[in-house]
Amino acid sequence: DAGITQSPRHKVTETGTPVTLRCHQTENHRYMYWYRQDPGHGLRLIHYSYGVKDTDKGEVSDGYSVSRSKTEDFLLTLESATSSQTSVYFCAISGGQGLSPTYNEQFFGPGTRLTVL
Amino acid sequence: ILNVEQSPQSLHVQEGDSTNFTCSFPSSNFYALHWYRWETAKSPEALFVMTLNGDEKKKGRISATLNTKEGYSYLYIKGSQPEDSATYLCAFNRGSQGNLIFGKGTKLSVKP
Repeated sequence: DAGITQSPRHKVTETGTPVTLRCHQTENHRYMYWYRQDPGHGLRLIHYSYGVKDTDKGEVSDGYSVSRSKTEDFLLTLESATSSQTSVYFCAISGGQGLSPTYNEQFFGPGTRLTVL
Repeated sequence: ILNVEQSPQSLHVQEGDSTNFTCSFPSSNFYALHWYRWETAKSPEALFVMTLNGDEKKKGRISATLNTKEGYSYLYIKGSQPEDSATYLCAFNRGSQGNLIFGKGTKLSVKP
C-alpha cells in the first residue's frame, strides 16, 4: 500500500443529506484524485488536486465539491446526496518526490462504498 | 468526448493458456497510457505506464506494447495462472496533471 486511507469505508445515507468523504495520505504526493466506479462505466474522474488549495474538475464533477487544506487530506463533499451518487468512490495519489503525474502511476486507496437511499 | 475502448469485455481461459487484450485510445494529444490490474475486493494496482510509440514493457509473465500512431495497446499474459484472474484496466492520460480516462476493463477468469 502507498499509505492511503479513506474514511468512512461504508456509508448509508438519505437523499438530500450532505456527505463528506475523506482521503488521507502519508506519502507526501502532490496530486490527489477522486474517482467513482459504477457498473458499466469503469472509473470516472470527479475532481482532482494539484496542490494545497489547488483543485479542478474532472469529467463527472456535477453535484460534488472538493477541498484540500493540507497536503495529506483531500475531501469530497456531496452537498445534497442523490440516489444517482450511490457508488464506490476511490481516491488516488500521484506525483511523489516531484515525479510527473503524467508519466508515473497512480496509487489507489481502498475505496468507500456509499449508498444513498 | 475522449473514449478509451477495451476488448474483449470478459475472457475465460484455462490455466496455462496465453492470452491478450486490446486497449484503443485517441491517437492525438497523447501523453501516456496506463495499465492497471484490479482484483475483486481490492484496489487497482499499476502494471505499466507507457509513453513512447513502440514501447514494450514486461513484468514477469505480463507484457504490453504501445502504438501511439494508430492508438492501441496490447496486454499479453503468457501461461495464465488462476492468480491472474482480475479485471485489467487501461487508462489514457489526457494531460500534464495526470488526468486519466479509463476504459471499462477486460475481466479475465483463469480456470485451474
